[in-house]
Amino acid sequence: KAGVTQTPRYLIKTRGQQVTLSCSPISGHRSVSWYQQTPGQGLQFLFEYFSETQRNKGNFPGRFSGRQFSNSRSEMNVSTLELGDSALYLCASRRDQGRYEQYFGPGTRLTVT
Amino acid sequence: SQQGEEDPQALSIQEGENATMNCSYKTSINNLQWYRQNSGRGLVHLILIRSNEREKHSGRLRVTLDTSKKSSSLLITASRAADTASYFCATDALLNAGGTSYGKLTFGQGTILTVHP
Repeated sequence: KAGVTQTPRYLIKTRGQQVTLSCSPISGHRSVSWYQQTPGQGLQFLFEYFSETQRNKGNFPGRFSGRQFSNSRSEMNVSTLELGDSALYLCASRRDQGRYEQYFGPGTRLTVT
Repeated sequence: SQQGEEDPQALSIQEGENATMNCSYKTSINNLQWYRQNSGRGLVHLILIRSNEREKHSGRLRVTLDTSKKSSSLLITASRAADTASYFCATDALLNAGGTSYGKLTFGQGTILTVHP
């Protein structure tokens, strides 16, 4: 079974631009979570989607948004990029229905200049 | 903010030795999970231990959980150079209604393990 895939793997943007990252979960997994990883703050939860609905959200500004499609694929968007948004963005999927293990993709490395 | 602390922050050992990492957390949990990350890449799920379990084994991994102390430990026995990575504990908080926090894992800062051949 294929793992979680994320595209693109690397991205360079300038301040003020917006970016969209994509995540395809493991087949059969309906829950997708997003995390931001930085050297200073570590791994922080952004949001989680299940059946196209956001069920939980972390403490990030409204510039960070996401959505999930009917095939469980998910996208996250960051508008008006700031230098501090430079990070590794990780997507994780899980089957849900009582299974709590999350399976992570390779991440998208975003650099904001 | 991070759920808790991991100790030590860095650990350097020789191949064949055992490696022990500790994790503390702050809130009541539904379960605790351990992940490995190689060089800033994706996280690999290692093991999950539920709040009503005290010990769990998987291959060379042994995890313990002490909910009264809000702490967990990960033991890697007979370590190999390929075990070199960062190791993170992550907690799934217990909601007041007894449910899970819907996929929100709270991570520790991690332990950087280096195994020398």
